[in-house]
This record gives sequence, structure tokens and C-alpha cells, in this order.
Amino acid sequence: GAVVSQHPSRVICKSGTSVKIECRSLDFQATTMFWYRQFPKKSLMLMATSNEGSKATYEQGVEKDKFLINHASLTLSTLTVTSAHPEDSSFYICSARDPGLPTQYFGPGTRLTVL
Amino acid sequence: AQSVTQPDIHITVSEGASLELRCNYSYGATPYLFWYVQSPGQGLQLLLKYFSGDTLVQGIKGFEAEFKRSQSSFNLRKPSVHWSDAAEYFCAVGALYNNNDMRFGAGTRLTVKP
Repeated sequence: GAVVSQHPSRVICKSGTSVKIECRSLDFQATTMFWYRQFPKKSLMLMATSNEGSKATYEQGVEKDKFLINHASLTLSTLTVTSAHPEDSSFYICSARDPGLPTQYFGPGTRLTVL
Repeated sequence: AQSVTQPDIHITVSEGASLELRCNYSYGATPYLFWYVQSPGQGLQLLLKYFSGDTLVQGIKGFEAEFKRSQSSFNLRKPSVHWSDAAEYFCAVGALYNNNDMRFGAGTRLTVKP
């Protein structure tokens, strides 16, 4: 149990385009999902907390207009990187919180490369 | 707010040797502690977690961790390391009542020598 999927696993796009990343909890309902960014050989940096049916909560320094988060159902959250630039290239990981306990289960990550 | 320190950036052990990865936390209340493992290019897999009760926690893949409140530590151990254990290991501390207050350590990269 507690499986989280992400799609796509890898995406390459041109500068100025938008990219959508999906995060799904496959076998449990997650009212709360999280989006992280990870730089090479670094730890995870929390970008935002996504709550089903309400607006996401962004961490300080994260541009909410650039990183659009939608959590329309209990099993799906999406992160859209708008007007992507090369500096947005990174590894993006989502997680879903077990509704009963403070445990996060992570997706496999999405490697974004902006040319 | 809580914080996590993993003092060792990189550890190398021989296959079959024992392993201990250190984790120290700072938190004002009872912490919820986790160890995750990340293989290159992959997401994080939960190895084990501690919420309460027995301070020695068993996890998957033969790992265990011991919560020591007096030392603010939650070290990860494995008696005999396998080559497939080579990965990045993250310690994390969370809070029950705060939805997004989970902090990760910087990670420890484990290399396993044949």
C-alpha cells in the first residue's frame, strides 16, 4: 500500500513553455500533498503544501504565479511550471500524506530540463 | 521549528560490514522521526518511522533505528550492508498537528565497497 505515482518521469521543454506534472496517490486518499524540489546532491526543499479543495500554501521565496498547484481531488495534485526557464530545471518530487498519521509517501520524481 | 542534522555527508563501508548513519534532531515537543532512502534519479522510500512506544524501531530491508531522547538522536543501523544499499539516506522529523512541518536532513550518501 501507500503508493504514489508521478507523471511524467522526465520532460524536456523549451524556454517559455509551461509544463504540468501530475501526482497521484494510488491506494489511499490524500487530503494533503506536498511538492518538493531537489537540486543535485542536495536535500529536498519544500515548495508548497497542496490541500484538496483549497488553495495551496507556498513556502517563502516560491513564486505562486510561476508554480501553479491544483489539488482537485483526493488522489490527484498537479504542479504546473509556467513560462519555464533553464533555472527551473530540477528534480521535482511530490508526496502524499497518510490521512491517519504524519507520514509522507513519495512519488518517483520528475526530471525537468528546460532548454 | 524543528531541524535535523546528519553529520556525515558521505560514508563508505565494505559489503558485509555493519552500518550506522547518524541523525540528530531539534524539536521542542515529542518528535515524529523518519528515515527515507533515495536511489539515484528516484523518489524517496520510507525505511522506518518512530512515533511512540518502543524506542528501537525495525524497518524494511533489515534496517533499524533507535530513538534516544537524551541524545536527541535517531541513528539508523544495519548489521550487514549489501551492495544494493548504496544510496542517499535522509532523516526527517515531523509534527503530528502541523500539516506541513516536516524537515529533512541534508542526507548521507552511502557507498558500498565490494
